[in-house]
Amino acid sequence: QKEVEQNSGPLSVPEGAIASLNCTYSDRGSQSFFWYRQYSGKSPELIMFIYSNGDKEDGRFTAQLNKASQYVSLLIRDSQPSDSATYLCAVRGGSQGNLIFGKGTKLSVKP
Amino acid sequence: DGGITQSPKYLFRKEGQNVTLSCEQNLNHDAMYWYRQDPGQGLRLIYYSQIVNDFQKGDIAEGYSVSREKKESFPLTVTSAQKNPTAFYLCASRQGIYEKLFFGSGTQLSVL
Repeated sequence: QKEVEQNSGPLSVPEGAIASLNCTYSDRGSQSFFWYRQYSGKSPELIMFIYSNGDKEDGRFTAQLNKASQYVSLLIRDSQPSDSATYLCAVRGGSQGNLIFGKGTKLSVKP
Repeated sequence: DGGITQSPKYLFRKEGQNVTLSCEQNLNHDAMYWYRQDPGQGLRLIYYSQIVNDFQKGDIAEGYSVSREKKESFPLTVTSAQKNPTAFYLCASRQGIYEKLFFGSGTQLSVL
């Protein structure tokens, strides 16, 4: 059973701080990794994706991938109250390329 | 304006009733998906379709059925065999298996 694990949180950080969200996955053959943001009652929104080892930066967001450790993370710099949401990690695996989702980490940014 | 449209936003099911959730996309995507999300849980795959007139079961297909008669449409029927249907249902699509997945706005299904 391929799995994606995330701490459920809540992770609470003060406004302006760096929020660090972590995800581990079980399928060593996974090739593509995604971070979705989901506000309460809304659908997930893709915010980052990464395919290669290392860091990928987009604005205040940085995705980090370490395939040897089967670990992917999302850093949010200068966190804002509007970043308060649940962050879902998703990993593409299997012959059909379907995404496997973690249960999500709830982030709360305090003003 | 391209996107994925789900309707209705809220749906109520009576005991023993089948209900159908609509999903339409105008992104010209080949693949479409249905996920179920329970509170505090991740997304679980119900059914998916890579091409018209073909679909496969996901991890939790029991009690659900789908059809894919048109590229743009992938309706999900929640049958009376699904004993615990209350959940947030999400439809998604992507161009190919290596492409990014995009979601509709979701349907909240509740039991009366």
